[in-house]
Amino acid sequence: EVQLVESGGVVVQPGGSLRLSCAASGFTFRKYTMHWVRQVQGKGLEWVSLIGGSGDFTDYSDSVKGRLTISRDNNQNSVFLQMNSLRTEDTAFYYCAKDRGDYTGFDYWGQGTLVTVSS
Amino acid sequence: NFVLTQPRSVSGSPGKTVTISCTRSSGLIASNSVQWYQQRPGSAPITVISENNQRPSGVPDRFSGSIDISSNSASLTVSGLKTEDEADYYCQSYGNNNWVFGGGTTLTAL
Repeated sequence: EVQLVESGGVVVQPGGSLRLSCAASGFTFRKYTMHWVRQVQGKGLEWVSLIGGSGDFTDYSDSVKGRLTISRDNNQNSVFLQMNSLRTEDTAFYYCAKDRGDYTGFDYWGQGTLVTVSS
Repeated sequence: NFVLTQPRSVSGSPGKTVTISCTRSSGLIASNSVQWYQQRPGSAPITVISENNQRPSGVPDRFSGSIDISSNSASLTVSGLKTEDEADYYCQSYGNNNWVFGGGTTLTAL
């Protein structure tokens, strides 16, 4: 059974930093691209970032480029999101999602972790 | 980049059939597969349709998906509506290194 478990969401001040983690199990982790998708409470879903299976390819949405960094550790079956220079508009639930395998969408999602940026 | 437009809400009586549309603003709907995600209140999304019309294991066969080239849109149909189907539904597709979601549709079983 595929499981994705996020952690690391906290309350942080504007300009601050934090690191989200996603622990994966139930599939051959190194073979799959992984994504982060976020959702402002009561609003829609927004793709944030992806990382290729070997970690050699990353991409970001324009809204986070230069401030968020995705990485992964295939020995620990984990993916991370380093969040710097946080803004109030980054307040959202952050979901880790597994790529379907063909780069077109997602098949499994984690339960999400809440990041609140507030003074 | 293209936009995926969904109705804000749809409703139907238990046992009936409802359809949620997802219209692509530019580029061909058939150029990349469409996925549909269900999100119940307070829960994470789950995939109910992938590759336009494929149901992942565990998803009831009351859920079906299709695309219509003439209207450049995708549709999610829920037949035999149950109260447990009440949720937000999001369509999603890919293009130009961007994973695009529709704005979401709230399905209510009246």
